[in-house]
Amino acid sequence: AQTVTQSQPEMSVQEAETVTLSCTYDTSESDYYLFWYKQPPSRQMILVIRQEAYKQQNATENRFSVNFQKAAKSFSLKISDSQLGDAAMYFCAYYRPGTYKYIFGTGTRLKVLA
Amino acid sequence: SQTIHQWPATLVQPVGSPLSLECTVEGTSNPNLYWYRQAAGRGLQLLFYSVGIGQISSEVPQNLSASRPQDRQFILSSKKLLLSDSGFYLCAWNTGTRGYTFGSGTRLTVV
Repeated sequence: AQTVTQSQPEMSVQEAETVTLSCTYDTSESDYYLFWYKQPPSRQMILVIRQEAYKQQNATENRFSVNFQKAAKSFSLKISDSQLGDAAMYFCAYYRPGTYKYIFGTGTRLKVLA
Repeated sequence: SQTIHQWPATLVQPVGSPLSLECTVEGTSNPNLYWYRQAAGRGLQLLFYSVGIGQISSEVPQNLSASRPQDRQFILSSKKLLLSDSGFYLCAWNTGTRGYTFGSGTRLTVV
């Protein structure tokens, strides 16, 4: 069965600095998708970034980028120029087409220090 | 554009009372619909999902149930709430690989 592991329950970063959140997953499939979701204190879940496994190029969305290492089954999220509004829970998720269900990690709480 | 509505935002219910949470999606057809629950400071637990009208898949056996009476409507229900049903409930939809779109959530407190 596929699993998603976020080994960092909590991280802190100084405002304007860069932070990397880790995510590893276990799968024997070759076709799948990976996501990072942000859950701020409002608890609204927001899609941050999406990566297709068959694309070698790492996805980027403004200050957010991923380091996708398919062989290592690693999918880390890098946040550059951290802002106070980046403080949130971040969830990594895996999806295999045809299964209908996304598998989420347990989340990493990111604190941004002024 | 696609939008998802979830209500109510907050609910306080006594133990043993019934529950009905509703979620509707606009701007898309035949979405996959999901109910998740999140305990305070914890991860997401998938409760139910539906890939079509009248079709419900249950992930966690408990005193909750779900129904999909219309294509873009998903309802979470209980006949008798337990204290352990307290939590934050999220509805979500997708149409495949583009990722979930989540509703704004319902904070349920059972007293």
